[in-house]
Amino acid sequence: AQSVAQPEDQVNVAEGNPLTVKCTYSVSGNPYLFWYVQYPNRGLQFLLKYITGDNLVKGSYGFEAEFNKSQTSFHLKKPSALVSDSALYFCAVRPNFGNEKLTFGTGTRLTIIP
Amino acid sequence: GAGVSQTPSNKVTEKGKYVELRCDPISGHTALYWYRQSLGQGPEFLIYFQGTGAADDSGLPNDRFFAVRPEGSVSTLKIQRTERGDSAVYLCASSPGVPGELFFGEGSRLTVL
Repeated sequence: AQSVAQPEDQVNVAEGNPLTVKCTYSVSGNPYLFWYVQYPNRGLQFLLKYITGDNLVKGSYGFEAEFNKSQTSFHLKKPSALVSDSALYFCAVRPNFGNEKLTFGTGTRLTIIP
Repeated sequence: GAGVSQTPSNKVTEKGKYVELRCDPISGHTALYWYRQSLGQGPEFLIYFQGTGAADDSGLPNDRFFAVRPEGSVSTLKIQRTERGDSAVYLCASSPGVPGELFFGEGSRLTVL
């Protein structure tokens, strides 16, 4: 079975500060890892993914994430937070073969304080 | 271009009634997914179509839930004998086949009284 844990329900960061949203995963074999963002009254939007290669992946809106195989983690990061980054963030995982099912975490609400 | 369209956006029904939720994917997307999201939870997988066939329906909670995609485009999620526990936002997503890159609709909020 595959699963994702997002240990923080809520993260508050001051505008201009770096931000980190944590994610750990469990999957059989090698993972494909994803971050999605959900703005109020909007559908989930794809942000970035790790498939293979460089452990640091870059995505939309200046976000990046670091894959750490030994710690089974895929934390989302941004060097300087904007108020407009305030949203609900979901980490997701699937195995790299066979199963197309994407399993999501419970989400982390990120609030950037002006 | 048009995104994934879901109708109705809101549905209120009574316990025991039958409900259909419709999803119009992005044109040309071969894969289609249904998820369910309850308050404070992440999206929970229900079923995945590749073309017309259900490639994985392991997430359907019981036989009251059924989904079809007869022509490989529009999909309908059908719920029989609705229960209060079925209340949630039902999300549809489509994909052009790039692993994990799903395009989500805004969801259909189902409330069972």
